[in-house]
Amino acid sequence: GESVGLHLPTLSVQEGDNSIINCAYSNSASDYFIWYKQESGKGPQFIIDIRSNMDKRQGQRVTVLLNKTVKHLSLQIAATQPGDSAVYFCAEGMEYGNKLVFGAGTILRVKS
Amino acid sequence: GAGVSQSPRYKVAKRGQDVALRCDPISGHVSLFWYQQALGQGPEFLTYFQNEAQLDKSGLPSDRFFAERPEGSVSTLKIQRTQQEDSAVYLCASSPRQGPEKLFFGSGTQLSVL
Repeated sequence: GESVGLHLPTLSVQEGDNSIINCAYSNSASDYFIWYKQESGKGPQFIIDIRSNMDKRQGQRVTVLLNKTVKHLSLQIAATQPGDSAVYFCAEGMEYGNKLVFGAGTILRVKS
Repeated sequence: GAGVSQSPRYKVAKRGQDVALRCDPISGHVSLFWYQQALGQGPEFLTYFQNEAQLDKSGLPSDRFFAERPEGSVSTLKIQRTQQEDSAVYLCASSPRQGPEKLFFGSGTQLSVL
């Protein structure tokens, strides 16, 4: 759902399950997309990125899917662990641009 | 350490006071960015340096905000005559490339204006 101010959407999953975090991006000219994880009191930490000439990219336990038709990005985390609990942000930009534009974020809570 | 370092970690300022926030990027990184993050929100772009050149300052909210990177390494974000609405976490990020790919963020400076 939409997030406004402090009311970030929250995804609660059981340890060991797969998680899917979704993001709608705004600029059809964006050609670079990135997912960050942010734990309390820390700066955002790079997870995985993807360029617009791809629709899927896999990392270790994570997969990013890009659907340019509907301007949608998703992050899949396999076998979610308690250490995955954090706020997850998607960000969009242009490869030779000047900035990343961040989404509002999704809280991931992993239940043991 | 090899990461982006920011100081101070916390800053409390009285309204009207000037503050200076420091960022030590990863050695050799070309690009440096400042972002502002309000509680419960995503980071918002403030300004971008490529080496010592400030190429984009479109996100600075007012002329009270000023950033510099005189030798292309350490950067300082200065806020003059702080206001309560300036309270936020100020994040610095650097990248070995030109532009915003694979930014490495510091832990931020949490500014509270009373």
